[in-house]
Amino acid sequence: AQKVTQAQTEISVVEKEDVTLDCVYETRDTTYYLFWYKQPPSGELVFLIRRNSFDEQNEISGRYSWNFQKSTSSFNFTITASQVVDSAVYFCALSEATFRDRLAFGKGNQVVVIP
Amino acid sequence: DTEVTQTPKHLVMGMTNKKSLKCEQHMGHRAMYWYKQKAKKPPELMFVYSYEKLSINESVPSRFSPECPNSSLLNLHLHALQPEDSALYLCASSPQGLAGSRETQYFGPGTRLLVL
Repeated sequence: AQKVTQAQTEISVVEKEDVTLDCVYETRDTTYYLFWYKQPPSGELVFLIRRNSFDEQNEISGRYSWNFQKSTSSFNFTITASQVVDSAVYFCALSEATFRDRLAFGKGNQVVVIP
Repeated sequence: DTEVTQTPKHLVMGMTNKKSLKCEQHMGHRAMYWYKQKAKKPPELMFVYSYEKLSINESVPSRFSPECPNSSLLNLHLHALQPEDSALYLCASSPQGLAGSRETQYFGPGTRLLVL
């Protein structure tokens, strides 16, 4: 069973629009960590954020913001005022205490920002 | 500094060749990882080294042979690969590995491998 679901495969937005990427996860552990990574066309996976299961505070970093809701098992990511440089694949990932060292990745969201 | 370096950036090899991929980090991390990523797919874990010992092998075929000569260096030796092994190979590191799920893995830029 898929542990991390990113339903939207490809999302196209016009520059300066906001875009929200949905991430729904599934786990039986009470201790777990959620991550978002960005993968531009160059290939490198760039770490964006880590959130643990006990911290439901939302986070804002520049134009990026994250909304973590345990009640709906979701960890959504919003890019505000998108720019062409935001064009990339974004992966949500789950790490559970039971499966140390293993990141369960979602299938990724391909974001295309149109100038 | 959260840099993981990988060489070469691109590699083309025949099915009878032997080649190696190299990964290096100088963050003092003690866990290092190899992932394989096919186009339009998420990365798939291949191997994990923790404190220079192989801790996870995800049933990877023996034509892939990992090596961790020291805590900052990770190699992946390739021999008799198949065309379906063509992919992006990503290396990652994290502080300890044994500490479990709370660690962030930092990735390198990858090696794009084409097997002819």
